[in-house]
Amino acid sequence: DTAVSQTPKYLVTQMGNDKSIKCEQNLGHDTMYWYKQDSKKFLKIMFSYNNKELIINETVPNRFSPKSPDKAHLNLHINSLELGDSAVYFCASSQDAGYGYTFGSGTRLTVV
Amino acid sequence: DAKTTQPPSMDCAEGRAANLPCNHSTISGNEYVYWYRQIHSQGPQYIIHGLKNNETNEMASLIITEDRKSSTLILPHATLRDTAVYYCIVRVKAAGNKLTFGGGTRVLVKP
Repeated sequence: DTAVSQTPKYLVTQMGNDKSIKCEQNLGHDTMYWYKQDSKKFLKIMFSYNNKELIINETVPNRFSPKSPDKAHLNLHINSLELGDSAVYFCASSQDAGYGYTFGSGTRLTVV
Repeated sequence: DAKTTQPPSMDCAEGRAANLPCNHSTISGNEYVYWYRQIHSQGPQYIIHGLKNNETNEMASLIITEDRKSSTLILPHATLRDTAVYYCIVRVKAAGNKLTFGGGTRVLVKP
């Protein structure tokens, strides 16, 4: 069983569209995260949820909206996609104590 | 979170130990040192973490200097599959506290 799974793995879409990326973890972790890795390979945190509550919200355009229906899921919805949104998006989870993060395999988003 | 400094790249011979340095001179007393790696096109992978004592697990060893201003990750017998970008991160071990990734060290293990 994959510990942190993201779908889809690849997503190609046109500018202006709205898309969602789903993330699920089966580790029983309380905290989940979204990270963005751009073309320069820098990993930057976007959001963090702890037990369905938003606890980290970095400077991210409000076109990005995370949703956590339960503590095992953290989805990322993006409105009005722009070329600059093209990147690899990683979901991760961790225990409350801030132990090691477990990352998903990433979703490569390409906006054309 | 304290900032870390790592060499941008290093090569290592297969079968030899790889010693990856990290400077974190502004680390606070409650900040841990974490190491992650990212193999090409994959999600980052947790390796090890420590506060002040040296740590060892099945993947690597972590040596932290007595003043805690620097540390070294040791891969005892590097294999080609250890080729990756290695990130040294310092952070407070608290609920939901974020991991802030720097540029890391690109390690190339050569046959």
